[in-house]
Amino acid sequence: KAGVTQTPRYLIKTRGQQVTLSCSPISGHRSVSWYQQTPGQGLQFLFEYFSETQRNKGNFPGRFSGRQFSNSRSEMNVSTLELGDSALYLCASSYTGTGDYGYTFGSGTRLTVV
Amino acid sequence: GQQVMQIPQYQHVQEGEDFTTYCNSSTTLSNIQWYKQRPGGHPVFLIQLVKSGEVKKQKRLTFQFGEAKKNSSLHITATQTTDVGTYFCAGRYMDSNYQLIWGAGTKLIIKP
Repeated sequence: KAGVTQTPRYLIKTRGQQVTLSCSPISGHRSVSWYQQTPGQGLQFLFEYFSETQRNKGNFPGRFSGRQFSNSRSEMNVSTLELGDSALYLCASSYTGTGDYGYTFGSGTRLTVV
Repeated sequence: GQQVMQIPQYQHVQEGEDFTTYCNSSTTLSNIQWYKQRPGGHPVFLIQLVKSGEVKKQKRLTFQFGEAKKNSSLHITATQTTDVGTYFCAGRYMDSNYQLIWGAGTKLIIKP
C-alpha cells in the first residue's frame, strides 16, 4: 500500500513569504504529526492532528499552523517566513490515535528560505 | 516539562564492534519506541516496548526497557555499514495525551 506522501519534496521561498506543505497519510491512518528537523537539532515536534482536531502542539510560534481534513490529509502553513525556518519538515501518520503501532514517516519537504 | 535524555550524541565504532545508545526519563514512561534514520532519509519505526523489563531482539539489535520504565537501551552487536544512521528513542507518558517525547538521537558512525 502507498506510504505517507509529502508534497512538494523541495521548496525555495523568500523571507516574508508564506508556504503550505501537504501530507497524505497511509489509508486508514487518522493521526498525523508534523516535525521540523534541522542539522544537529533532532526532531522538533510541531503539532499532531487526530480526526481533524489538533490534539497536541509543540513550542513553535503562531506563524506555524496546521489543519487536517475529513480524509485525514493534513496541511501545515508557515507565514512570514524567516531564514531560520529552513529545514526538513516531516509528516508522520499512525493507525491508531495512540500510535501504538509506531509512526510512519514521509520523505519530507525540504524548505529553503532565502 | 517531560524530557527524554538520549546519550551519547555520537558514537564512532570500527565495523564489527558493538554499539549502544541509552534513553533516560526522570518519570515513568507508558511505553517507548525506537526509530532509525539513515543519512538523507526519514525516521523508520523499529520497535515499541511496553512492559517493565521487556527485552526484544531483531537480528543483531537488542532493545531493553528498564524495570522502572524510566530507561531504555538499544544495543547493536557486530555493527555493519548498513547500521549507519541516527537512532532515536521516543517515549510516551501516561498523561501526555498520547504525544511522543523524542530523544535527541545518537548518530552511529563507522570508522573507515
